[in-house]
Amino acid sequence: SQTIHQWPATLVQPVGSPLSLECTVEGTSNPNLYWYRQAAGRGLQLLFYSVGIGQISSEVPQNLSASRPQDRQFILSSKKLLLSDSGFYLCAWSVGIRISYNSPLHFGNGTRLTVT
Amino acid sequence: TQLLEQSPQFLSIQEGENLTVYCNSSSVFSSLQWYRQEPGEGPVLLVTVVTGGEVKKLKRLTFQFGDARKDSSLHITAAQTGDTGLYLCAGAHGQNFVFGPGTRLSVLP
Repeated sequence: SQTIHQWPATLVQPVGSPLSLECTVEGTSNPNLYWYRQAAGRGLQLLFYSVGIGQISSEVPQNLSASRPQDRQFILSSKKLLLSDSGFYLCAWSVGIRISYNSPLHFGNGTRLTVT
Repeated sequence: TQLLEQSPQFLSIQEGENLTVYCNSSSVFSSLQWYRQEPGEGPVLLVTVVTGGEVKKLKRLTFQFGDARKDSSLHITAAQTGDTGLYLCAGAHGQNFVFGPGTRLSVLP
């Protein structure tokens, strides 16, 4: 069966410090990978998605970047955190190259990031 | 402006009551999904609806996709405390899914 691991679960970082959140998927090959940020009352905002190694698409301009060094590894990074980067970050995967009804999103348990 | 709107934003009911939450859009979606999210966890898929007018039942949960594939509803019969959580709808949009802001449901004992 497929599993997704995301860490750390919680993180408190000062403004201006770097960030690295990691996500790995097991039990599937060549998944689509996603980073979402969830803010209260605004649902999930897609930050980045990847359809393959080294292929990253950014949905919104921001202080963050993503990388996919291996097929089942997705990393969210920042060189200098801002207060506005605080939030709940979710990694997810889906099957297939194209979004379709039979390729739902499978989420990790998220990272609660607080920038102080 | 959000592509998907959900109502109500918050709902608090007593155990045993029935409820309906809504997901609406001015856009047409090829498919729509409902997820439930509990505090401190990621969303978990409940159902996917694809065909306009489609009705799917999952135990006490009934999901309906609008005829024009622009809206959907989730009806829960005889709510239980375990139904408490954030209910999110998501529509397939291009290469990705667009999420609504969610309905936060609290079922009180």
